[in-house]
Amino acid sequence: EAQVTQNPRYLITVTGKKLTVTCSQNMNHEYMSWYRQDPGLGLRQIYYSMNVEVTDKGDVPEGYKVSRKEKRNFPLILESPSPNQTSLYFCASSFVGGGNTGELFFGEGSRLTVL
Amino acid sequence: GEDVEQSLFLSVREGDSSVINCTYTDSSSTYLYWYKQEPGAGLQLLTYIFSNMDMKQDQRLTVLLNKKDKHLSLRIADTQTGDSAIYFCAETNTDKLIFGTGTRLQVFP
Repeated sequence: EAQVTQNPRYLITVTGKKLTVTCSQNMNHEYMSWYRQDPGLGLRQIYYSMNVEVTDKGDVPEGYKVSRKEKRNFPLILESPSPNQTSLYFCASSFVGGGNTGELFFGEGSRLTVL
Repeated sequence: GEDVEQSLFLSVREGDSSVINCTYTDSSSTYLYWYKQEPGAGLQLLTYIFSNMDMKQDQRLTVLLNKKDKHLSLRIADTQTGDSAIYFCAETNTDKLIFGTGTRLQVFP
């Protein structure tokens, strides 16, 4: 089954404790992206990657890191989480960059709470 | 910069039509999209329209595009309780999607 898998789905952590949210896709997509969803703000892009070893900042990259060592994986790293990073996070992938009828496939989301 | 706006809530009776509206600012957008987010799930592409089209119909869904006013709408005919979800419009002209804030559609019996 074609899918984007995120882990963990739910996480409560404390300020400053490094964490990683993993994302894996089995569709051989070149493009992968991370978004955060906050009430009243919609989805905002954190980082994206056009292919292996190619990553770029989105609209809200501060406090986050990513890596793309393999095509299928695109982990999101919070080196020192803060309460303002409490949010619902989505990973997405596609064959092209979301344009030209490229359909973004989303994971089920990871709800992160930073105390 | 690019901005996509939607009203936050819409409530309709089952069987009625729903119309969800969206305005965008980037006149060079080549594609405009509607995504649906069901409770506890990620977003799924519902439909899209190319910028040189005025209308696209797909079963119960009708997308209208007014490029002059930069206005996009999604009409759902015969709305069902299963249509209750958050609907996001999105625009793109390069390699990223700009999402709106989402409209929460509530369908009541």
